[in-house]
Amino acid sequence: GDSVTQMEGPVTLSEEAFLTINCTYTATGYPSLFWYVQYPGEGLQLLLKATKADDKGSNKGFEATYRKETTSFHLEKGSVQVSDSAVYFCALRYGTYKYIFGTGTRLKVLA
Amino acid sequence: DTGVSQNPRHKITKRGQNVTFRCDPISEHNRLYWYRQTLGQGPEFLTYFQNEAQLEKSRLLSDRFSAERPKGSFSTLEIQRTEQGDSAMYLCASSLDTGALYNEQFFGPGTRLTVL
Repeated sequence: GDSVTQMEGPVTLSEEAFLTINCTYTATGYPSLFWYVQYPGEGLQLLLKATKADDKGSNKGFEATYRKETTSFHLEKGSVQVSDSAVYFCALRYGTYKYIFGTGTRLKVLA
Repeated sequence: DTGVSQNPRHKITKRGQNVTFRCDPISEHNRLYWYRQTLGQGPEFLTYFQNEAQLEKSRLLSDRFSAERPKGSFSTLEIQRTEQGDSAMYLCASSLDTGALYNEQFFGPGTRLTVL
């Protein structure tokens, strides 16, 4: 079946370091891909998305490119801040509503 | 704040008791979703409503679970005869179906259930 695999956390970085969180997927079709972020005590928030191969999603300095050949959607940010500390979820979606989420990767950024 | 709200935020109950959670979606949103998130896992889809109609239920939703959205606005999720395996975060999300392929889902903060 379809699935999403994320790198295990926690990931601990110093402020201004480069961030990569790996995400790979298994899918029978051509899903849309998403990154969600969950700050402590809050609900999931959409961070960025890509709906087809080679699309690049970007938001708040974060980027991810939909790579069909490697079935990947890695999240990157050039310079992280303490305020980026959160749990990040990679997800795929077919159609208009049904998500399959990864297990989440906790990011901790130290000042 | 006009986001998705959920009540209660935390619920502790004893095994065998019934519990009910409430979700208030963003007011104009016609779709509402329930997810379950266990510790160390991502959210898993449980069910969704288009207005008051429940259009899909996951196999995760056993007979002890029932969800309603009686007037197409707020929704309730009831778990009967709770079991320790029901301990999880229950997330609600809502979206506005515009007929487009993609409609963003907005998530609430969740209700954390602990079954003792």
